[in-house]
Amino acid sequence: ETGVTQTPRHLVMGMTNKKSLKCEQHLGHNAMYWYKQSAKKPLELMFVYSLEERVENNSVPSRFSPECPNSSHLFLHLHTLQPEDSALYLCASSQEAGYYGYTFGSGTRLTVV
Amino acid sequence: AQKITQTQPGMFVQEKEAVTLDCTYDTSDPSYGLFWYKQPSSGEMIFLIYQGSYDQQNATEGRYSLNFQKARKSANLVISASQLGDSAMYFCAMREGVNTGGFKTIFGAGTRLFVKA
Repeated sequence: ETGVTQTPRHLVMGMTNKKSLKCEQHLGHNAMYWYKQSAKKPLELMFVYSLEERVENNSVPSRFSPECPNSSHLFLHLHTLQPEDSALYLCASSQEAGYYGYTFGSGTRLTVV
Repeated sequence: AQKITQTQPGMFVQEKEAVTLDCTYDTSDPSYGLFWYKQPSSGEMIFLIYQGSYDQQNATEGRYSLNFQKARKSANLVISASQLGDSAMYFCAMREGVNTGGFKTIFGAGTRLFVKA
């Protein structure tokens, strides 16, 4: 148990589907993040939320839509994805101060067919 | 622009020996933090160690130590007494504006460590 829970662990979806990834933490952290990890590429920051407010949107296509209803939950809504969006999507949380490491979830392995 | 470089795609080490994983970084911000994470084959990223840019001493956490050379902009991870369970991907990361609430952490490409019995 890492403290950050992501569901589902695996997801296969068609390009016309709409699905959502869920992330939940009960560590009392104030910041939550979505990262994308593709094969042979460094982790890419997608979105950052601090105190439920989006503070970073790293030029992510609009087919990815984040939602942070409260400080414990983070969603990534997916629609009309492309095969190149297949990747491991990692959620993380941290204290707002920068000298704390992130606590990551186990990730959602997404395959777009 | 931020940049993290890990030049070793793969490393081999004999069990019980020490190994150094290289990381260099580039930033113009005087306030930054350096992190190392471990990613086993299960996919979960595990935070290992942190070094602040103003810290005078090298960080240590159990068998992990960070060899911080600020002038050379390097932050190498040293793992002592390697264990088979240390086989994993290791990522170096940097976060700017640590003391002013900087949120963006960037990661290097990673180094795959193989520990041999």
